[in-house]
Amino acid sequence: DAGVTQSPTHLIKTRGQQVTLRCSPKSGHDTVSWYQQALGQGPQFIFQYYEEEERQRGNFPDRFSGHQFPNYSSELNVNALLLGDSALYLCASSLNRDRGPNEKLFFGSGTQLSVL
Amino acid sequence: KNQVEQSPQSLIILEGKNCTLQCNYTVSPFSNLRWYKQDTGRGPVSLTIMTFSENTKSNGRYTATLDADTKQSSLHITASQLSDSASYICVVSALEGSYIPTFGRGTSLIVHP
Repeated sequence: DAGVTQSPTHLIKTRGQQVTLRCSPKSGHDTVSWYQQALGQGPQFIFQYYEEEERQRGNFPDRFSGHQFPNYSSELNVNALLLGDSALYLCASSLNRDRGPNEKLFFGSGTQLSVL
Repeated sequence: KNQVEQSPQSLIILEGKNCTLQCNYTVSPFSNLRWYKQDTGRGPVSLTIMTFSENTKSNGRYTATLDADTKQSSLHITASQLSDSASYICVVSALEGSYIPTFGRGTSLIVHP
């Protein structure tokens, strides 16, 4: 049973570029959430996708966008990269039927993005 | 505003010693509190989950406590091992609202031989 997989594991970009990160949820999961984790900080919620639509969004600018595909996999896109976008980007999957305070998140290993 | 504060920010201990990590929260109404372990460059992995009615829960050498009245939790690690070196993150969920959990910044634990 494959867990949450993310690609690539590491990425180096320059300011102003655009980046796409990918996530495949745990088998059977239908909901994908994305988090940004800066060095020494806790994960910050970016947005959540269910049924191919953005269901909830955290306090992130429109430069951050996403997509969910019919097979439940997801992409995170960041445009016009800034130095401050350097972080570990985590994908977490869950089951919509468990949605609520007891929802259990399964995290991938993340994509380490460095913006130079 | 829902907040989760953890202390200490970092901790260095010798292998075999015990340690306790602290978590204070203002999330309301409270639903549950989880402790996650995050190895460097990896995603967080759940250690324990505690609800309002639970005071103590153990997972091997990890024991979490919860005082819902004072809104405090602790994670006690017994007989530390080198593999315990990681960041430990406290995460609190509210009973209503967006259902997006609130993450603490984590405590970075280093276990030296």
